[in-house]
Amino acid sequence: DVKVTQSSRYLVKRTGEKVFLECVQDMDHENMFWYRQDPGLGLRLIYFSYDVKMKEKGDIPEGYSVSREKKERFSLILESASTNQTSMYLCASSPIGRGGTEAFFGQGTRLTVV
Amino acid sequence: AQSVAQPEDQVNVAEGNPLTVKCTYSVSGNPYLFWYVQYPNRGLQFLLKYITGDNLVKGSYGFEAEFNKSQTSFHLKKPSALVSDSALYFCAVRDESGYSTLTFGKGTMLLVSP
Repeated sequence: DVKVTQSSRYLVKRTGEKVFLECVQDMDHENMFWYRQDPGLGLRLIYFSYDVKMKEKGDIPEGYSVSREKKERFSLILESASTNQTSMYLCASSPIGRGGTEAFFGQGTRLTVV
Repeated sequence: AQSVAQPEDQVNVAEGNPLTVKCTYSVSGNPYLFWYVQYPNRGLQFLLKYITGDNLVKGSYGFEAEFNKSQTSFHLKKPSALVSDSALYFCAVRDESGYSTLTFGKGTMLLVSP
């Protein structure tokens, strides 16, 4: 059974903290994605990576960075957490060059910044 | 740029009645189209996809979707709704290159009443 695993289901952090959200996939996919989900706004792409050490900005990269040191792991970093980053964060993976293959999602991390 | 519109924030239907959740898209070239479902505080689960071929696509849990190229639509349907179908539904599009990211609609909440 294919799997994308996010390290935490729920997180509460303080304003100004550096926050790490971890995602691991076991499908040997090249592409990995971080989305943010907010009510009424749907899913918005923060960053994606199509290879180890490669990253591309999505639609809303401000205040975030990412790291991909190994193919199976893609980390999202909030450099200095702010209350407007309270949200649901979703990680996904998919194979490259096969656009007809669906993306697989993790269970999500609900982050609250206080 | 590719985009997806889900014109209804919420769809209400009685159990046993047919349901339709609407989706229209914009993309360069031929589209790859996807439907996902999300239950509360969970990640997204893949339902079905259109790549090529028959315009009527069948997926999980009795759902199907109809691709209409002239209307650039990909509406999700089910002949007989269940209360357990109540969830948030997302439509997504990717271009046929295989190298673009998935773009999601804002989601439609489906509420099925007993």
